[in-house]
Amino acid sequence: EAQVTQNPRYLITVTGKKLTVTCSQNMNHEYMSWYRQDPGLGLRQIYYSMNVEVTDKGDVPEGYKVSRKEKRNFPLILESPSPNQTSLYFCASQTAFQRGPSIDTQYFGPGTRLTVL
Amino acid sequence: DAKTTQPTSMDCAEGRAANLPCNHSTISGNEYVYWYRQIHSQGPQYIIHGLKNNETNEMASLIITEDRKSSTLILPHATLRDTAVYYCIVSLYGQNFVFGPGTRLSVLP
Repeated sequence: EAQVTQNPRYLITVTGKKLTVTCSQNMNHEYMSWYRQDPGLGLRQIYYSMNVEVTDKGDVPEGYKVSRKEKRNFPLILESPSPNQTSLYFCASQTAFQRGPSIDTQYFGPGTRLTVL
Repeated sequence: DAKTTQPTSMDCAEGRAANLPCNHSTISGNEYVYWYRQIHSQGPQYIIHGLKNNETNEMASLIITEDRKSSTLILPHATLRDTAVYYCIVSLYGQNFVFGPGTRLSVLP
């Protein structure tokens, strides 16, 4: 089954304790992305990657890092989490560099609810 | 900022068609219109997308006006499970989405 998986699904942590949220896709997609969703602010893009070793900032990258060492994985790293990073996080993936009605869609993961105390 | 505007909320009776409008007056010639929905706090789910022609799939129909400045998503027979927030997004390649607040559709029994 084609899917995007995220781990953990729920995480409560404390300020300053480094954490990593993993994202993996099994569709051989080149493009992957991270979004955060906050009440009243909707979904906003944090970082994206067009392919292995190619990453770029989205609209709200401050306080986050990403890496893309393998095509299937795109972890989100919070080196020193703060309470304002409490949010619902979504990873997404898509085939890049091609067009077509069946492959233009972006697939989203189930989400990771992060609470930073 | 989001490049689309949608009504904040809509109601629809179960079994009736739900017609969700979207304005995208600044869409460029090669940008597509995408529709996604989000049920509770699940990951957004793809519904349909199109460029200029009307599109239909097993979930919905998409009607795009001739000038491409607006579109309508049609759920032909809404069920309670269609209650969700619906997002209309314009994008060149279906990447780097800018999400607006969407339309909260409530399907009523």
